[in-house]
Amino acid sequence: DQQVKQNSPSLSVQEGRISILNCDYTNSMFDYFLWYKKYPAEGPTFLISISSIKDKNEDGRFTVFLNKSAKHLSLHIVPSQPGDSAVYFCAASAQNTGTASKLTFGTGTRLQVTL
Amino acid sequence: NAGVMQNPRHLVRRRGQEARLRCSPMKGHSHVYWYRQLPEEGLKFMVYLQKENIIDESGMPKERFSAEFPKEGPSILRIQQVVRGDSAAYFCASSPRNYTQYFGPGTRLTVL
Repeated sequence: DQQVKQNSPSLSVQEGRISILNCDYTNSMFDYFLWYKKYPAEGPTFLISISSIKDKNEDGRFTVFLNKSAKHLSLHIVPSQPGDSAVYFCAASAQNTGTASKLTFGTGTRLQVTL
Repeated sequence: NAGVMQNPRHLVRRRGQEARLRCSPMKGHSHVYWYRQLPEEGLKFMVYLQKENIIDESGMPKERFSAEFPKEGPSILRIQQVVRGDSAAYFCASSPRNYTQYFGPGTRLTVL
């Protein structure tokens, strides 16, 4: 049962354009969402997060949008740079259940930013 | 401020041997999580620990796997009698409370 889904395994975007990565979830208990970036042979690097009480969070070139009714979130990167080429993971947790806040990950989207 | 440290980075074991993976959390972080990534898959939660306590081990295989986070020293993920299916990247993460988790570089376990 894949509770967090990233339906696009790969995405190619030209340098300077916007990259939009999508993520859907099924568990309505999730209330905290994160995006991580991962290079080969390295650990995931935290990029940006959003709580379910918000619908948008912005940090520099990265913006995350949350649509709770659709159980959908997206990561926008603008402008895209060659160094952004990596695998991006969406993750979710249930912070307010009183239980452990383990992360549930999607399967990742490989972003390639071309010159 | 050093990040999450994991060692070894690469570990090769023969079937039936034991594997010990170590994780030192970031300074000030009292929560440690272990995840496993199989080839071409996302990360899967294994276990969540605080000092001297296992909080959630719902993702741990029932046999051969154990984890600890002692009062002093790093967290240890121990895999006894390894099999080829245990070959994966094992990542440790830490957080100050139930918030953002920061990951280490991972240990890549290869079972021959």
